Amino acid sequence: QSALTQPASVSGSPGQSITISCTGAASDLNVYNYVSWYQQHPDKAPKLIIFAVTKRPSGVSTRFSGSKSANTASLTISGLQAEDEADYYCSSYTRGNILLFGGGTKLTVL
Amino acid sequence: QVQLQESGPGLVRPSETLSLTCAVSGYSITNGFHWDWIRQSPGKGLEWIGSLWHSGTTSYNPSLKSRVTISMDTSENQFSLKVISVTAADTAVYFCARGVIAAHYFDPWGQGTLVTVSS
Repeated sequence: QSALTQPASVSGSPGQSITISCTGAASDLNVYNYVSWYQQHPDKAPKLIIFAVTKRPSGVSTRFSGSKSANTASLTISGLQAEDEADYYCSSYTRGNILLFGGGTKLTVL
Repeated sequence: QVQLQESGPGLVRPSETLSLTCAVSGYSITNGFHWDWIRQSPGKGLEWIGSLWHSGTTSYNPSLKSRVTISMDTSENQFSLKVISVTAADTAVYFCARGVIAAHYFDPWGQGTLVTVSS
């Protein structure tokens, strides 16, 4: 079973933009456009912020955007705000109806 | 509005069976989607446990497959998780979530329930 690799932490100042990467096996991310991203605040359930690589659910700020190139997906948060400080997880579908999660990235807003 | 709520014992003895239920309101679990269990060990990341498709088909994380069963109770509109032969490594917050088949993402999630494995 392949894994998704995320940086352990990223940081940025209010107003800046940051990008979190999610790298997987070419047989996973390169084949399927089923990458999703979740935001998790402490002691809360994860919240969906991006699905199908680039799509935003209703109600999610346009400051959140997703992209993918080959076997790496990315989440970009523009105009950083204090409330964006949280853990972020990528997820991807792979063959055999298996779902994968990345290890998570802790975002610190300086 | 779809809502999911986990329930079950908060403490399980080592070597015993962990059993949790996820009650779904606002949508029939036989009407599409897949229904998933995901866990998070203290201070760690998310780990997908497995899916129960609306048809009754299941798929499991290969690392847990030998110990996990997910089943549905259509009369109660809920689905359940059983993990046999638990150890301290199974201590985690367990979340249930609805999986969207068309793009395999999880939304919404239950609030999560902490299960501690300890004697």
